[in-house]
Amino acid sequence: GNSVTQMEGPVTLSEEAFLTINCTYTATGYPSLFWYVQYPGEGLQLLLKATKADDKGSNKGFEATYRKETTSFHLEKGSVQVSDSAVYFCALNGWGYGNKLVFGAGTILRVKS
Amino acid sequence: DTAVSQTPKYLVTQMGNDKSIKCEQNLGHDTMYWYKQDSKKFLKIMFSYNNKELIINETVPNRFSPKSPDKAHLNLHINSLELGDSAVYFCASSPGTTKETQYFGPGTRLLVL
Repeated sequence: GNSVTQMEGPVTLSEEAFLTINCTYTATGYPSLFWYVQYPGEGLQLLLKATKADDKGSNKGFEATYRKETTSFHLEKGSVQVSDSAVYFCALNGWGYGNKLVFGAGTILRVKS
Repeated sequence: DTAVSQTPKYLVTQMGNDKSIKCEQNLGHDTMYWYKQDSKKFLKIMFSYNNKELIINETVPNRFSPKSPDKAHLNLHINSLELGDSAVYFCASSPGTTKETQYFGPGTRLLVL
């Protein structure tokens, strides 16, 4: 079945550091890939998405590229801020009826000033 | 304007009680979902409805019964609450059923004592 693996956290960085959160997936067909963010005490917000191979999703300085050859969708940001502290979820939804989102375990990011 | 709203935001109750969580979306979407987030932040789909019809039911105990009176509402009723039901429950919606972005509500934090 479909699955998503994310790097374990927590990831602790200083402000303005470079961020990478690794995400790899297993899926049949050609899934869409997503990064969602959950700020403390809040719901999930879509951060970015990509729907086909080699697409790059970007938003608020975050980027991720859909790499079919390595089945990866790593999240990057060049310079993190304290306000980026949150839990980041990689997710996919696959081919076929139902649009079921399969999530990774989430990665906690802590940014220190 | 809140796109996907849930009530209540917090719910504290005793084991054995019956409770309901309500969800409404004003996005005009056809498909709605319930997800459960456990204490380790892991997210898993429970149910999905498309135009009031159940299309995903992920091996959830039959104490959980979703009800969709119309396509803008998806409620979750839980009978005979157990300690293990303590979690955050998220409602989400999407335009259709094929690889589309899902928009999440703020979550309902359920604590069973």
